[in-house]
Amino acid sequence: SSELTQDPAVSVALGQTVRITCRGDSLRSSYASWYQQKPGQAPVLVLYGKNNRPSGIPDRFSGSTSVNTASLTITGTQAEDEAEYYCNSRDNSGDHLYVFGTGTKVTVL
Amino acid sequence: EVQLVESGGGLAKPGGSLRLSCAASGFSFSNDCMTWVRQAPGQGLEWVGRIKSKTDGGTTDYAAPVKGRFTISRDDSKNMVYLQMNSLKTEDTGVYYCTTDKSIPAAVWWFDPWGQGTLVIVSS
Repeated sequence: SSELTQDPAVSVALGQTVRITCRGDSLRSSYASWYQQKPGQAPVLVLYGKNNRPSGIPDRFSGSTSVNTASLTITGTQAEDEAEYYCNSRDNSGDHLYVFGTGTKVTVL
Repeated sequence: EVQLVESGGGLAKPGGSLRLSCAASGFSFSNDCMTWVRQAPGQGLEWVGRIKSKTDGGTTDYAAPVKGRFTISRDDSKNMVYLQMNSLKTEDTGVYYCTTDKSIPAAVWWFDPWGQGTLVIVSS
């Protein structure tokens, strides 16, 4: 089945910008959605489609897509943004209708 | 307030069964496609399966690892969705989340909101 690959971990200084990437063949035909998960909590949707934020998600979260790569950018990173981030996309070719990325742990220094 | 609350998790033996429930409130449940996602301890998220709304046919789809063992159903009169898990394996251990599967034209899909999850442990 298809996979979505993410860097395992990134660190960012408080107030700086961090970009998280997600690569996979399924992104050629489907936009990614992005989820933030803090320890012991359920995932929370932070971005979907071309660059859509749900109500309540700060505008420091933005997204972009190019061919088989989706990116989530946090501009002016805050301490509360420290979390695991997962991408997701539809995958009509694999054994899971939807596939999640491997996850990226964002540490705010 | 839009809310999903899972229940029914617990300890089961390999080969055993468990039934998870998810209670929905605060939105038009009958119009939504409902999905289960799981997370093994210390691992990432895995899509388990979904059930479409009756308007969209009420059909189900499952991930290959659970197909033939798990069954998703819904009761729109009670705003409930269920995950019947049979022939459980140790690798089914994890937190199971209920969420809604949303989409708009032009290849955009997402899951929102999510319940708090319920823990399933399969062990002898």
